[in-house]
Amino acid sequence: GAVVSQHPSRVICKSGTSVKIECRSLDFQATTMFWYRQFPKQSLMLMATSNEGSKATYEQGVEKDKFLINHASLTLSTLTVTSAHPEDSSFYICSARDSYGDQPQHFGDGTRLSIL
Amino acid sequence: RKEVEQDPGPFNVPEGATVAFNCTYSNSASQSFFWYRQDCRKEPKLLMSVYSSGNEDGRFTAQLNRASQYISLLIRDSKLSDSATYLCVVNLFSGGYNKLIFGAGTRLAVHP
Repeated sequence: GAVVSQHPSRVICKSGTSVKIECRSLDFQATTMFWYRQFPKQSLMLMATSNEGSKATYEQGVEKDKFLINHASLTLSTLTVTSAHPEDSSFYICSARDSYGDQPQHFGDGTRLSIL
Repeated sequence: RKEVEQDPGPFNVPEGATVAFNCTYSNSASQSFFWYRQDCRKEPKLLMSVYSSGNEDGRFTAQLNRASQYISLLIRDSKLSDSATYLCVVNLFSGGYNKLIFGAGTRLAVHP
């Protein structure tokens, strides 16, 4: 079945560091990818919708200059958390839509980000 | 009001028990509905889609009531491996995209 690979799975870094997370669709082309964030015991919150070759659409309250999204190809989207601070520590998950699949979205394994 | 509301639980049940989860959603324009399962520190995995006619997959039965904006999941003959958080999810077309809106999840703990 369709697989979405997310890397890295775990990041621990100092405050002020910028962190890049990659999301790849391995066996299908994804014109649309989604980035979510999940804080402990809370629901997955959609941060932005990433479209290949165009600017991402950010959800209300998500700073586009803080969370940079690039979707340069049909199989790769990246999320860069710029100048990360402890409050950015969270579980970040990407997903991709496969137009021909039976699932609404295929999820990556997630990235656990801890900012010290 | 949250777009998708669920009882957070936890539901602590013995093996073999039947357990039911409920969910309500606020946007009547929601188009499709799902139950996902999420294990601790893992990504969510699709459990099943939910249809108005009701659908069953083995021990799992899902039901949708569009008039009441209510979704349910019934698990029969609970197994230890069913322990997880169950996420109620609606698909909404908004801003030109189909978006998944997640509930916060209901925790299930099945004990021997």
